[in-house]
Amino acid sequence: GAGVSQTPSNKVTEKGKYVELRCDPISGHTALYWYRQSLGQGPEFLIYFQGTGAADDSGLPNDRFFAVRPEGSVSTLKIQRTERGDSAVYLCASSPLRVKNTGELFFGEGSRLTVL
Amino acid sequence: GENVEQHPSTLSVQEGDSAVIKCTYSDSASNYFPWYKQELGKRPQLIIDIRSNVGEKKDQRIAVTLNKTAKHFSLHITETQPEDSAVYFCAASESGGYNKLIFGAGTRLAVHP
Repeated sequence: GAGVSQTPSNKVTEKGKYVELRCDPISGHTALYWYRQSLGQGPEFLIYFQGTGAADDSGLPNDRFFAVRPEGSVSTLKIQRTERGDSAVYLCASSPLRVKNTGELFFGEGSRLTVL
Repeated sequence: GENVEQHPSTLSVQEGDSAVIKCTYSDSASNYFPWYKQELGKRPQLIIDIRSNVGEKKDQRIAVTLNKTAKHFSLHITETQPEDSAVYFCAASESGGYNKLIFGAGTRLAVHP
C-alpha cells in the first residue's frame, strides 16, 4: 500500500477483555515500531521489530502486552486483560532497510483504544 | 535512559511572526534529532531532522539548531501561516541502525490570521 495501514481505527472494549491491533507497514520496510500516545503526550516507544524478530521490547509496560510479526511484514499488538489505563492511540511506524535508513519513521493513523 | 523535555507546551502567534520551540535531552549518546508535526487526528509526519555532526539545518521556512554541549535543540519557523497550526514533537535517539525515538510532550502551535 501507499502508507502504513492500521486496523481497527477505533476499538472500544470492556475492562478485562483481550484486544488485537493490526499494522500493515509500507511494502519493503523491514523495520517496524509500535508506539503508544496518550492524550496530550508524545508517542511512547513500545517495541521494535527488525524483520520477524523483536529486537527491542523494552518499552512494553508489562506482560499483558505482546506483539508479533511472524512473516516480517504485518504485525499484531496484543493486549490481554485490558485496563482503563491502556486507553490511548496505538501508533505503528515503519522504516526502510538499515543501510538505507534516512532516519524517518512513517507512521500510520493509529488505532484509538478505549477501555471502559 | 533518554529523557526529552519540550517547551513551551502551547504557543500562540500571529500570522507572519516567527515561532521557536525548544527541547533538551539527557543522554549524551543521542545523535539524531527529528521534529514531527501532527495535525489534529492525523499521523505524525517528519518535517526536519538533524544529526549531531552539524549545528544547523534549514529547509525553506523551517530551521533546526543543535547545541550538543548544552544538550538542547530548537525548531524555528519563520513567516508562520495558519496551516502551520499543529502539535510539534521533538525527539532524540541513538541512531545506531534503528530509531528508538524518545519524544517530547509536544507543543501546540496556533497561528492566528
